[in-house]
Amino acid sequence: AQSVSQHNHHVILSEAASLELGCNYSYGGTVNLFWYVQYPGQHLQLLLKYFSGDPLVKGIKGFEAEFIKSKFSFNLRKPSVQWSDTAEYFCAVNAQRYSTLTFGKGTMLLVSP
Amino acid sequence: DAGVTQSPTHLIKTRGQQVTLRCSPKSGHDTVSWYQQALGQGPQFIFQYYEEEERQRGNFPDRFSGHQFPNYSSELNVNALLLGDSALYLCASSSPWDEQYFGPGTRLTVT
Repeated sequence: AQSVSQHNHHVILSEAASLELGCNYSYGGTVNLFWYVQYPGQHLQLLLKYFSGDPLVKGIKGFEAEFIKSKFSFNLRKPSVQWSDTAEYFCAVNAQRYSTLTFGKGTMLLVSP
Repeated sequence: DAGVTQSPTHLIKTRGQQVTLRCSPKSGHDTVSWYQQALGQGPQFIFQYYEEEERQRGNFPDRFSGHQFPNYSSELNVNALLLGDSALYLCASSSPWDEQYFGPGTRLTVT
């Protein structure tokens, strides 16, 4: 069975600080990897995804993530966060593009102005 | 092009009652998945419907059942509600060539 582990449940940063959110997964086969964001009062939105190819993936709003197969990791990064990045971030994995997603517990990011 | 829509937005029920939640998928999508998101947790997979049949099921009791209609819309039914069923219920639609898109969710409160 797949599982996803997100290292930090809460992160507090000041504006312009750099962000890195950790995500590790457990699965023996080929996986697709995702980062979703849930802004306060809004629904889950896809930030970025990795299916294959270049392990460095760029998403919306300046976010990127790097897939390191040997470490079973898919960490999310942003060089300079903004107050509007305050949200909950979820890492997720599935084995096929349309198949069910296994989510981590989420990381709540609070960016102070 | 409407995305995934869900109804109702909020719902309050009493223990022991039954509830039905509804979902309309994104245009062009034929697969609907349901997730339960408890407070402070990530979404947990309940089941997935494709071609009007349950294709996959997560670790949820039989009190949770669903249906998919010919127009690909779907319903989630929960019988004999428990306090622990209070959560945000998310619907996601997808297709073989497109990843899952989520709806805004239905907030269910069981008192």
